[in-house]
Parts: sequence; structure tokens; C-alpha cells
Amino acid sequence: NAGVTQTPKFRVLKTGQSMTLLCAQDMNHEYMYWYRQDPGMGLRLIHYSVGEGTTAKGEVPDGYNVSRLKKQNFLLGLESAAPSQTSVYFCASSYSNLGLASSQYFGPGTRLLVL
Amino acid sequence: KNQVEQSPQSLIILEGKNCTLQCNYTVSPFSNLRWYKQDTGRGPVSLTIMTFSENTKSNGRYTATLDADTKQSSLHITASQLSDSASYICVVSANSGNTPLVFGKGTRLSVIA
Repeated sequence: NAGVTQTPKFRVLKTGQSMTLLCAQDMNHEYMYWYRQDPGMGLRLIHYSVGEGTTAKGEVPDGYNVSRLKKQNFLLGLESAAPSQTSVYFCASSYSNLGLASSQYFGPGTRLLVL
Repeated sequence: KNQVEQSPQSLIILEGKNCTLQCNYTVSPFSNLRWYKQDTGRGPVSLTIMTFSENTKSNGRYTATLDADTKQSSLHITASQLSDSASYICVVSANSGNTPLVFGKGTRLSVIA
């Protein structure tokens, strides 16, 4: 089992450019999440998905879009990158959203720098 | 508002010493509490998870305690090692809603020789 994988690991963008971050999990989890982590802020939820074909907004969704066309993949898109989106992005997945089954497994992160 | 507060923000200790990290929460209704360890440049990894009825849980040299009455948890690290240097994040799960996890900002622990 690879667990949760993320690509790319690191990316530099210019303001206004677009890109897509890919998250894949092989644990057959229903729930998937995208977080960003900034110094002194902790992890903040961007978007999440409760199953294939569904997505929902989290705490800080502006400037991002997501898609969950396949159960194992969760894509995070930046249509027009801004310097404020410089951050480390983590994907996570879980079997459920309640109780002990809500334990989230995290990917290794994608470091994004927007110039 | 559901919140998780951790203290201290950062901590430096000598190798071999013990330390205790604190977590206070105001999440309701409470389901469970987790401690995650996050090494630099890596994603968080779960250390312990405790439900309402549990007041202590160990994972090797890591021991977590939970007082559901005072809504406090602690993570005690015994005989620290250099590899314990990491951020430790307290995460509380509410028993409702689609996004019930509430994350603390973490405590940055540095273990020095």
C-alpha cells in the first residue's frame, strides 16, 4: 500500500498561472480532504469530498477548485495563482467522518511558491 | 466556536529528558481526540486516539491523557530522543457535521544533544 501520494512535491508558479495538484489514495477511503499549512496557522481545510463525484467547501475555499471524478483521486486546482497561495498543501483521506473511522491519513505534502 | 488551543508553542529540551505538551479544547459534541506527529517536510502521522471514555493511551514512549470534564489533554514524552524533534498537533473530532475535525496549531518540539 502506498497510502496517500501527492504530485508534484514542489512547484514554483508565477502570479496568474494555473496548476493542478493531484492526490491519490489506495485505501478505498470514501472521504478526501485538501488542507493548506502556513507558519503559525496550523492546518486549514480548503475543500473536501465525501465520495466520488461530490465536493464541498471547507474553511478557506476561495481561489481553489476541486474535482473527484474517481474515488481514489482528488484534484486541487488553482486557476490564477496569487502570492497568498504560497503554502504547503496536504491531502488526506479517511474511511468515514465520524468516530474512530474518521482517522485521517495524510500525504507527504506539496510545497508551492507563487512569485 | 469549536477551538483547540495548544501550549507551549515551542519547546526545547535535552535528549533523555521528559516533557509534556498541553491541549485544551472547546469542541462539542466531543467524539475523540488525536495526537499527530509531524516531522519537518512530512505529513502528520497519528500517534494516539482517545474516545470519551478513555483517559490514557500509550504508544511506546508517548502517553496521552484525556480529561473530558475539563476538556484537557496532554501528551507526555518519556526519555526523549533526537528523532522526537517534530511538531505535535492535537486534533479533536466533533460527533456531528461533515467536517468535524478541529486542528490545533501544534507545538514545535526540538530535542538537542
